[in-house]
Amino acid sequence: KQEVTQIPAALSVPEGENLVLNCSFTDSAIYNLQWFRQDPGKGLTSLLLIQSSQREQTSGRLNASLDKSSGRSTLYIAASQPGDSATYLCAVRGETGGFKTIFGAGTRLFVKA
Amino acid sequence: ETGVTQSPTHLIKTRGQQVTLRCSSQSGHNTVSWYQQALGQGPQFIFQYYREEENGRGNFPPRFSGLQFPNYSSELNVNALELDDSALYLCASSLGPFPGVTDTQYFGPGTRLTVL
Repeated sequence: KQEVTQIPAALSVPEGENLVLNCSFTDSAIYNLQWFRQDPGKGLTSLLLIQSSQREQTSGRLNASLDKSSGRSTLYIAASQPGDSATYLCAVRGETGGFKTIFGAGTRLFVKA
Repeated sequence: ETGVTQSPTHLIKTRGQQVTLRCSSQSGHNTVSWYQQALGQGPQFIFQYYREEENGRGNFPPRFSGLQFPNYSSELNVNALELDDSALYLCASSLGPFPGVTDTQYFGPGTRLTVL
């Protein structure tokens, strides 16, 4: 059974700092891994999608890496801004179990001005 | 904006009642997935529909059921509501369920269901 864990659960940093969010998964048989952002009480916004054959994806100040064999992904945020404050969720879509997408519980990020 | 809409935004029901939540996917997206998100947790996969057929289901009882229509709209129905069903319900659309196809999931804003 796939389990997804995100560390840390919460993070508070000063504006301008570079930071790394971690995601680990127990079953390496995945199709892809996706990082999302969620603002309080809102839906999810897709940030980056990494296919299982890829090692990383970049979009602006965001860079996500995937090490499928070790069951790990990281989301790197450069030069953090107060507008980055949100919950960041990673999700894996597995090769077994009917294409289920399994989410971690998220990392709550607060960037102080 | 993801192009995925959900209605209603908020809903209050009492225990034992039935509820229908609606989702409108992006045009051309043949797959819709539904998720339940309790407060402070990540979304939990309920089920997925591809071209009007259910093709994946999470650990939810049969009183959670769904429909997908040819016009890219879908429904989540929950019978015999329980207090623990109180949550944010999210739908997500994507092009298809198969690998090799762009599989980004686009989420709607969600419906907040409160069961009293």
